[in-house]
Amino acid sequence: DTEVTQTPKHLVMGMTNKKSLKCEQHMGHRAMYWYKQKAKKPPELMFVYSYEKLSINESVPSRFSPECPNSSLLNLHLHALQPEDSALYLCASSQDSGQAPYGYTFGSGTRLTVV
Amino acid sequence: AQSVTQLGSHVSVSEGALVLLRCNYSSSVPPYLFWYVQYPNQGLQLLLKYTSAATLVKGINGFEAEFKKSETSFHLTKPSAHMSDAAEYFCAVSKASNTGKLIFGQGTTLQVKP
Repeated sequence: DTEVTQTPKHLVMGMTNKKSLKCEQHMGHRAMYWYKQKAKKPPELMFVYSYEKLSINESVPSRFSPECPNSSLLNLHLHALQPEDSALYLCASSQDSGQAPYGYTFGSGTRLTVV
Repeated sequence: AQSVTQLGSHVSVSEGALVLLRCNYSSSVPPYLFWYVQYPNQGLQLLLKYTSAATLVKGINGFEAEFKKSETSFHLTKPSAHMSDAAEYFCAVSKASNTGKLIFGQGTTLQVKP
């Protein structure tokens, strides 16, 4: 299995809703990432998990809450989002955050719309 | 601080023509460099990477890139464009540290005309 699987592919949520994005990989990678991508822009790093511990939080608002229950699974919990949070949310994994040269494997993303 | 600059936000070529997408990097230490491709409504796919081995790197789908330290460049080329190459292309850099953080350029949209 050489894929990163993200669910759901599309999500529409109201500003008072609570929802979660899910990301799963079975490549034995020990680093996992959440990126946010607005239209026609490059991905922006949000969080990095290394060996199931949060190692980087790029000053992301607390309405985004990451969770790494085990080495294969990464969640992003969403609460009280704003319309400007609408974007493509990408999950990625790599063998190890210290092995940057190997690059990431990206999932196909979740297209989030906040209404 | 590291950064990448992609020259040209939009490149248009005819089918069968040479593809050249430009990327210049800024790094105080030897970098690791990557090219990713993103098709509409999809994630990013790694095309190729430079990790201080050979300076000419061959990737998937017939793409290659040459690392030129003197020019701080890592331009992406393909001898003959195909309609299926139309996509967004991102150059990215990371350094030999333990953060795993990738820094992306602004992207270049490649249009291929029949």
